[in-house]
Formats: sequence, structure tokens, C-alpha cells
Amino acid sequence: QKEVEQDPGPLSVPEGAIVSLNCTYSNSAFQYFMWYRQYSRKGPELLMYTYSSGNKEDGRFTAQVDKSSKYISLFIRDSQPSDSATYLCAMSGEGSSNTGKLIFGQGTTLQVKP
Amino acid sequence: DVKVTQSSRYLVKRTGEKVFLECVQDMDHENMFWYRQDPGLGLRLIYFSYDVKMKEKGDIPEGYSVSREKKERFSLILESASTNQTSMYLCASRRDRGPYEQYFGPGTRLTVT
Repeated sequence: QKEVEQDPGPLSVPEGAIVSLNCTYSNSAFQYFMWYRQYSRKGPELLMYTYSSGNKEDGRFTAQVDKSSKYISLFIRDSQPSDSATYLCAMSGEGSSNTGKLIFGQGTTLQVKP
Repeated sequence: DVKVTQSSRYLVKRTGEKVFLECVQDMDHENMFWYRQDPGLGLRLIYFSYDVKMKEKGDIPEGYSVSREKKERFSLILESASTNQTSMYLCASRRDRGPYEQYFGPGTRLTVT
């Protein structure tokens, strides 16, 4: 079993839809949770990060972490064609058992149709 | 803004050639990473460095080596390129404390023929 599971999709939605992207994980030591967006043939760019459980909002994007369920989500409101990209979740723990390396999900490909 | 640059966007090399991929970051980050990204396999860590002249193997180090002589520069070396090393190579850097977010370069698409 992979440490981080993410449905690769592809996910296709109409413009204006609410998009929900999700990852599950198995390592309870993870405390830092990130979402990256990667456009085709480009490097990933950091979209949002959260520490421990809770929600974080930035414009049309909301990140949620549920540590009890080992489940994280990224919501995109009023999705736009420019949101079409691959979204990768990533997470990390702290302490001597972890050097701070990020563990990535496989990425979900999203297409927002005009 | 953090900036991570990679020496080439596209590279074509022949089997058996020695290949150098260069990465430079301008944020004085202590840690630097090399990944490769392949369809269906996601991002896989090749090597990382937590300080100058220090390195640690990642998940798939075979066939690769690295060099970090200066803090801002991290090089990936393919000693003898093979066709199965055709991939997208991504460099990243981060500071030495949480929340451990990594900043990526634009990537180098390497084709080995």
C-alpha cells in the first residue's frame, strides 16, 4: 500500500463547477499537508499548505485536513478553464524518523471545460 | 519570490553519454532535491542534499550521482545514460525547517536515444 493515495482521474467538469480533489494517507506522523498545481510540461507550483488539522482558504481554493480520517481535500469554487492542470497532494512529518522529505500523491488531472 | 532554475528545458542525449543537469536556487535554502516524474509513477526522489557536500540517496538513486559544491547549486549526473532514464527531471529546494514546502524548477525533459 502506498503511503499516499490519490485518484489520478482524469476529472472533467464544466466551467463554474465546484471541484473536490482528495488524498488519503496511512502515516499518522504526517503534519504538513500541501497542494501543488502542475501545468503541462511545467514544474509543480505550491498552491496551499496547512499544518495539522483544519481548513485554510485562499480565494477560490480551500484546503481541508482531517487527521482522524487521514484524509485531505482541496476544493476549487467557480472553476475556470485556467484551473485545468494536474493537482498533487504532498505531505511530511517531523522528528528523527523523518527528514522532512515530502511524500507525493500521484496527482489528479483536472480539465475544466468552457 | 523563490526562484529555482534548471540549465535546460529539453535535452536529447545518446545512450552511454555522461549527462549533467544543473539546478540553481536563489533563496539560500539549505535543502535541495532531484526528482524524476513519469506517467503513472508520479514524482520519485532520486537524491537530496541537506547541506553543501552532503547528500543522501532517495528512492531510486541507481544510475545517478549528485554534486553540491555550493549552497545554491545542485547537480544531477547520469554516469552512462540509458533509454530508461528518459524522463522529466525536476529540481526543488526548501529551507531547513517546517512547514517543509518545496519550490520546484521548470523541469528538464531528457530524452535518451
